[in-house]
Amino acid sequence: EIVLTQSPGTLSFSPGERATLSCRASQSVSGNSLAWYQRKPGQAPRLLIYGASNRATGIPDRFSGSGSGTDFTLTISRLEPEDFAVYYCQQYGSSPPWTFGQGTKVEV
Amino acid sequence: EMQLVESGGGVVWPGGSLRLSCAASGFNFDDYAMTWVRQLPGKGLEWVSGINWNAAYTYYVDSVKGRFIISRDSATNSLNLQMNSLRDEDTALYYCARGPHARSPSWYFDIWGRGTLVTVSS
Repeated sequence: EIVLTQSPGTLSFSPGERATLSCRASQSVSGNSLAWYQRKPGQAPRLLIYGASNRATGIPDRFSGSGSGTDFTLTISRLEPEDFAVYYCQQYGSSPPWTFGQGTKVEV
Repeated sequence: EMQLVESGGGVVWPGGSLRLSCAASGFNFDDYAMTWVRQLPGKGLEWVSGINWNAAYTYYVDSVKGRFIISRDSATNSLNLQMNSLRDEDTALYYCARGPHARSPSWYFDIWGRGTLVTVSS
């Protein structure tokens, strides 16, 4: 099972700032099969990025993903008020279980 | 609009059973794999179970193998999760999510419901 580590657990920013979130895998993620999701209280989680760097449909271009192997990054170029949420990475490059990181909360 | 709506959550005693359902609309349900993911209290997301587009393959996280059964019904465009022998640690918000298209091996999840809460408590 691939373990994903997101650190730190909480990051504090002001609107307009650039946010960089980290996701590290315990072993190489095959085919860069890594996704990022946003979760807000009371809402359905939202897919942001798949394949490490591909934006999902309707996702603003201020969200970008990068990385390969064991180290992946989600960057929000300029934080909007609606971007304050919890972000999760997920790997799907191996046989199940498909695993999530424990999440990074982006707060004001 | 593509939508998933979960139902069936509630409070159950340890050792009890519960059946979750997820109603899909706005897309061709038969063309997609489906999955259940749960949010444990105060913790992150955990993938629980998945089923491919034609129900030929099912997958489970080790902690629920032998206790949970995933199924799908193309007549009603619904996904189900039969949960038996429930434990305290199964308490969570359970999300239904859409998996890959039949021709894709990539198990990321692009449409999610809002979840249904399961509480296992005596």
